[in-house]
Amino acid sequence: EDKVVQSPLSLVVHEGDTVTLNCSYEVTNFRSLLWYKQEKKAPTFLFMLTSSGIEKKSGRLSSILDKKELFSILNITATQTGDSAVYLCAVRVGGAQKLVFGQGTRLTINP
Amino acid sequence: DAGITQSPRHKVTETGTPVTLRCHQTENHRYMYWYRQDPGHGLRLIHYSYGVKDTDKGEVSDGYSVSRSKTEDFLLTLESATSSQTSVYFCATRRELPIFNYGYTFGSGTRLTVV
Repeated sequence: EDKVVQSPLSLVVHEGDTVTLNCSYEVTNFRSLLWYKQEKKAPTFLFMLTSSGIEKKSGRLSSILDKKELFSILNITATQTGDSAVYLCAVRVGGAQKLVFGQGTRLTINP
Repeated sequence: DAGITQSPRHKVTETGTPVTLRCHQTENHRYMYWYRQDPGHGLRLIHYSYGVKDTDKGEVSDGYSVSRSKTEDFLLTLESATSSQTSVYFCATRRELPIFNYGYTFGSGTRLTVV
């Protein structure tokens, strides 16, 4: 059974801190790993990672994939209150190109 | 997202009644998905479609059926709603090109409460 596990499930930090969110996976036909940010409604796309060791960066957010150890991390530096959200990790598996999601990490940034 | 519309946005229904949720897309994407989101579970795949009249089950398909008679519409039906189907339902589509960024786009969700 395909499985994606995120940690921690919940994290509370102060504005300006740096956070690291973790995602590990066990799937049978890995194609890519995606990160999403979910505030009130629909998840919004952050990154898609397919190759090991290549960092993807967007502003204060960055992510990297390790296909040997089967995990990914999402880093957020200089956090702001607007970063408060649930961050979802998903793995795209082959065939029907389904996404298998982790449970999500609820990140709260206090001013 | 502007390309995907889910209806209704909210619904309260009674146990045992049939319910149909609609997902409409204007992107002409071949793949469409129905997920449910519950606390502690992330999003779980219910059913998906890879073309008109082509559908298959996901990991939590019991109690649900789907239909896709047109590219733009993907319907999710709860034949006889139960309280365990109280959830937020998300529809998603997948863009196939360009390959470097063929992300999935999600609708705004339908909050379904079964009482």
